[in-house]
Amino acid sequence: QSVLTQPPSASGTPGQRVTISCSGSSSNIGSNYVYWYQQLPGTAPKVLIYKNTQRPSGVPDRFSGSKSGTSASLAISGLRSEDEADYYCAAWDDSLSGFYVFGTGTKVTVL
Amino acid sequence: EVHLVESGGGLVQPGGSLRLSCAASGFTFSAHWMSWVRQAPGKGLEWVANIKVDGSAKYYVDRVKGRFTISRDNAKNSLYLQMNSLRAEDTAVYYCARDGNGDYDGAIDSWGQGTLVTVSS
Repeated sequence: QSVLTQPPSASGTPGQRVTISCSGSSSNIGSNYVYWYQQLPGTAPKVLIYKNTQRPSGVPDRFSGSKSGTSASLAISGLRSEDEADYYCAAWDDSLSGFYVFGTGTKVTVL
Repeated sequence: EVHLVESGGGLVQPGGSLRLSCAASGFTFSAHWMSWVRQAPGKGLEWVANIKVDGSAKYYVDRVKGRFTISRDNAKNSLYLQMNSLRAEDTAVYYCARDGNGDYDGAIDSWGQGTLVTVSS
């Protein structure tokens, strides 16, 4: 029931910049903050970006978030092998009562 | 340090019931909304339900409404998910998760390690 669309995969070599898109609608991204989560293999997700652009303490500044209209993006600069993971965007959706929607997820591979 | 530990997962037949529990520690449990998020094998994340700090408001994803009930006991620092009329498509790892507050309002800022629920005959 994902209403946020992400590309299924993205890849880059170490040191490169990778960007992941997240497309939504006026009822979610268009009117609410966007959050990004990183899920390393075999582990629980962790929040990477909150309120569109903010990084929790401990998250490297290689990760950055942006939002424009009904879309958002996560950029990873200076790609490192430990960044190989699944990445999910998320937002609250005003069209349904208290509904939190995740994106379809993007697998990032470090070549 | 925030600690969320789920229990209660396992194998259940279609139409059966299961109750998941989550023991929270390392933070003021009664100050946070709490959520359940699930992930089917090899699939993405799906938010299932959340509950207000005092239990007075609860929200569910449409596909579990009427079958699942989220609840909490602030005196025991515990979160629960009662799952009835289980279906094969409910098979997933279920994560107990803390909703952020203050600057982290709107984010799910802490997660448990997950408990696997398998619905199969």
